[in-house]
Amino acid sequence: QVHLEQSGPEVRKPGASVKVSCKASEDTFTRFFLHWIRQAPGQGFEWMGMIPPGGGNIAYAQRFQDRFTMTRDASSSTVYMELTTLRSEDVAVYYCAAAGVATVRYFDFWGQGTQVTVSS
Amino acid sequence: SYVLTQPPSVSVAPGKTARITCGGNNVGGKSVHWYQQKPGQAPELVVYNDRDRPSGIPERFSGSNSGNTATLTISRVEAGDEADYYCQVWDATSDFVFGTGTKVTV
Repeated sequence: QVHLEQSGPEVRKPGASVKVSCKASEDTFTRFFLHWIRQAPGQGFEWMGMIPPGGGNIAYAQRFQDRFTMTRDASSSTVYMELTTLRSEDVAVYYCAAAGVATVRYFDFWGQGTQVTVSS
Repeated sequence: SYVLTQPPSVSVAPGKTARITCGGNNVGGKSVHWYQQKPGQAPELVVYNDRDRPSGIPERFSGSNSGNTATLTISRVEAGDEADYYCQVWDATSDFVFGTGTKVTV
């Protein structure tokens, strides 16, 4: 069973950056695509990007390409997302999610979510 | 960009059947996946590839997909099924797309 453990809530001022982590169970990196998806208050879900198993080419949603970065640390089985130049519209719960290499196009497992608040 | 439209809410009595629709242009040509999200929790996959269920999901949850509408059906609804439900597809031009969500009230 895949377990995804995310870092805690963050509060940032407008214009600042935030980095959120997602620690996965050990074999996840070789078996799953790891994604970041966000949910604004009372809203639906918005896909942001993904890292393939074993590293490789990271894919970003076009609207986030200029200020969103995903990285991974295989030694600790952790993926990170960093969002820069934060604005009020970035207030959301950010989820990491895993999609199997055989399934790819849906999300088998989700982290618990990380609340990001942007406030002056 | 590709859009998936769901009714904002569905109300159903316990023991009855709830049907949640997900409309999109020729969505029948895509694989549709469904998630359940209870308040304050992360989503959980309940149906994938139109009609398959992950391990541990009751048979009461079923799906279908044809034409411009996919449907999630919950039979013999229980109080514990009260949640928000979202459909999702992958689209070549829009990547991963989620529906607008439906609140099911029991």
